[in-house]
Parts: sequence; structure tokens; C-alpha cells
Amino acid sequence: DAGVTQSPTHLIKTRGQQVTLRCSPKSGHDTVSWYQQALGQGPQFIFQYYEEEERQRGNFPDRFSGHQFPNYSSELNVNALLLGDSALYLCASSLPTGTYEQYFGPGTRLTVT
Amino acid sequence: DQQVKQNSPSLSVQEGRISILNCDYTNSMFDYFLWYKKYPAEGPTFLISISSIKDKNEDGRFTVFLNKSAKHLSLHIVPSQPGDSAVYFCAASEDSGYALNFGKGTSLLVTP
Repeated sequence: DAGVTQSPTHLIKTRGQQVTLRCSPKSGHDTVSWYQQALGQGPQFIFQYYEEEERQRGNFPDRFSGHQFPNYSSELNVNALLLGDSALYLCASSLPTGTYEQYFGPGTRLTVT
Repeated sequence: DQQVKQNSPSLSVQEGRISILNCDYTNSMFDYFLWYKKYPAEGPTFLISISSIKDKNEDGRFTVFLNKSAKHLSLHIVPSQPGDSAVYFCAASEDSGYALNFGKGTSLLVTP
């Protein structure tokens, strides 16, 4: 049973560029959430996708956008990168209701220079 | 504004002893609480959870206690093992299937 997978593992970008991160959910899950974890902090909720729609959004600017595909996989896009966007980006999958547990992938380490 | 707080950044415990990790929250709408464990270069792994209608949940060596009036929960690990050394995150949610709010984590070191 495949768990949550993310690609790429590491990424280095220059300030002002755009980046796309990818996530495939755990088998049987149809809801995908994205979190940003800065150094020394806990994961912070960015947004959640269910049925290809953004269902809930955290306190992140519009530079952060996402997409969910019919096969439930998801992308996180960040435009106009800032140095402060350097972080570990975590994808989590879950069922849409009835359970609270979310299952995380290993993350993508983004460095903005 | 941090709604979930873990005030101890680190904790060191001897193997075989009890580890107690603490967590406080401010949002009274939280109705479900979870603990995650994270090793370096891996994503957080779900450990144990508790609903707000309970005050204790146990799973093997791990027990979570919830004190709703104090808005406080704790994770007990008995006995602690060196493999338990990791960062532990407390998380809370207002509704099933929705966003998790995390604390900053507590780094646990279990020494032989």
C-alpha cells in the first residue's frame, strides 16, 4: 500500500521565480492538504483540496495556489518567490470526513536564494 | 497567532523512564487532538489521538491525557526507548477532515 509521495525531494530557486511541487495521496484517500514547515516551527496549514476544489485555506497570500487532478494527486504552486518561502513543504492526505488523521509525505525542501 | 503551544523545545529522558510531553491550546472550538512524531528527513507520522469527549486514550506504551477545562493535553511514553528519540508535534482540529493546527514541537532525546 503506497503512502503519500512527493516530488521533487529538494529544490533550489532564485527569488522572483515560480515553483511547482507535486503530491500523490495515499491509496484510498481523496483529500489533499498542504503545509509549510519553516525551520524550528511546526507545520502551518496552507490549503486543502477535495473534489478538485479548494475546500479550506490558511493564512497564506495568493502567491500560493494549488490544483487537484481527477486522480486525486495535487500540485502546489508558488509565484514570485521570496527568501522567506524557504521551508519544507509537506503534503498530507486523508478522507474528507469522519476521520481527523492526516498522513504525511516526506516533504519537499525548497531553498530560495 | 499560535493556537497550539508546546512550551518545552526539548526534553531528555533516560531509557526505561517515563517521558511526558505537554501541549496547551487556546481555541475552545478544537474538538480533536493528535500527536505526531517526526524523524529527520521524514514527514510527520501519526502516533495517537483523542476526542474532546474523552480524557484519556491509551495505545501500548503511549497514553494521551486531555484536560479540557485547563485546555491542556499531555503525551506519556512508558517505558521510553532510544528509538523514541524524535520531534513530537501536538496538533488540534475543529472538524474532521479539515486543517490541523500544530505546535512548534518538542525534541525528545532518550539516552541509554
